Amino acid sequence: AQTVTQSQPEMSVQEAETVTLSCTYDTSESDYYLFWYKQPPSRQMILVIRQEAYKQQNATENRFSVNFQKAAKSFSLKISDSQLGDAAMYFCAYRSAISNFGNEKLTFGTGTRLTIIP
Amino acid sequence: EPEVTQTPSHQVTQMGQEVILRCVPISNHLYFYWYRQILGQKVEFLVSFYNNEISEKSEIFDDQFSVERPDGSNFTLKIRSTKLEDSAMYFCASRSSGISYEQYFGPGTRLTVT
Repeated sequence: AQTVTQSQPEMSVQEAETVTLSCTYDTSESDYYLFWYKQPPSRQMILVIRQEAYKQQNATENRFSVNFQKAAKSFSLKISDSQLGDAAMYFCAYRSAISNFGNEKLTFGTGTRLTIIP
Repeated sequence: EPEVTQTPSHQVTQMGQEVILRCVPISNHLYFYWYRQILGQKVEFLVSFYNNEISEKSEIFDDQFSVERPDGSNFTLKIRSTKLEDSAMYFCASRSSGISYEQYFGPGTRLTVT
């Protein structure tokens, strides 16, 4: 079974600075997807960024980028130019890429609560 | 932009009562999911549903739980006899059958069992 570990329960960053959230995972599969979801106080889960394991290039979405190290099974999220609206719980998640109906679930880490300091 | 909706936003029920949580997935999506998040804990998978069948369920999803797609738009989660430990946030998610594998989440239903 796959596991996802987020070792930083809480992080804080000054507004406009850069912060990196860590995530490691364990899997025996070679093809999979990794995601970062944001959960603001409203509790809704919002997809931030996605990475396909077969792609060597790190995904980027505006101020959000990842550092995907497949051999190390590491998937960190970098938030540049942090804004007050970035304050939220951030969850790392894993999904198998095997295309049968029994492998669609997302496996989440325990989350990192990010605080933005004005 | 299309979104997943869930009703009610908050449900309070007494232990032993049945509850039905409702979800309206994005209209062209074919794969549906329920997850739950006990307060302060991580999000946990409950069940996935495709073509009117459960495709996978977790250990949490025991005989007290059931899912149904009663019509072309709704997707429901029923808990037959609620327990105190069922108190949690329940999220519905859906995805399309295309190359995009993102699961889009609804805003959640907070279930409180007293």
